Amino acid sequence: QVQLQESGPGLVKPSQTLSLTCTVSGDSIGSGDYYWSWIRQPPGKGLEWIGYIYSSGSAYYSPSLKSRLTLSVDTSKNQFSLKLRSVTAADTAVYYCARGYLRYFDFLGYWGRGTLVSVSS
Amino acid sequence: QTVVTQEPSLTVSPGGTVTLTCASSTGAVTTTYYPNWFQQKPGQAPRALIYNTNKKHSWTPARFSGSLLGGKAALTLSGVQPEDEADYYCLLYYGAAQVVFGGGTKLTVL
Repeated sequence: QVQLQESGPGLVKPSQTLSLTCTVSGDSIGSGDYYWSWIRQPPGKGLEWIGYIYSSGSAYYSPSLKSRLTLSVDTSKNQFSLKLRSVTAADTAVYYCARGYLRYFDFLGYWGRGTLVSVSS
Repeated sequence: QTVVTQEPSLTVSPGGTVTLTCASSTGAVTTTYYPNWFQQKPGQAPRALIYNTNKKHSWTPARFSGSLLGGKAALTLSGVQPEDEADYYCLLYYGAAQVVFGGGTKLTVL
């Protein structure tokens, strides 16, 4: 059973970079069958897709975040990561990582528990 | 900007049937949008229910089903249980760099 766990600072100052890592267990991130996603949810609001990355390193970003966002994957550590630059209070949210199954258009079958990141000075 | 629209809230009686819908600002939803549905209870991460329009995960209760209805994606709950009270989100695929969530439907079982 695949499990995902987000980790990173819970507090980031405005204009700085938000960095999160998702550690995958029970599955190899290097498998070509899957893609690895980030989603966020501001407090009391709905879900927002951030982007996803394949084990090859090919990444696709939400148009609204593309200019500030970098996704990466480290197959040796079985982890993938998110970096969001120049954050503001609007980036305060619970951030989730998830696994999708490419072949079946199962975009987000398995989710991590999420981690709250607050942007504040 | 593409917008995916869901009913903000619905109420259903225990044992009843309810259909949640998911509409696209670009027009009719078809199977090529590969609709996915998720359930989220307070304080929990979302849980995937349906993928690729009508495929169920191994953990999806039989009373949940996905379909296309009147140009929209639909999630039908038959024989609703009290534990089905939750927020439900749909997701539509518009291409490699555009995956959009609906605003969510708050389902009340009353």
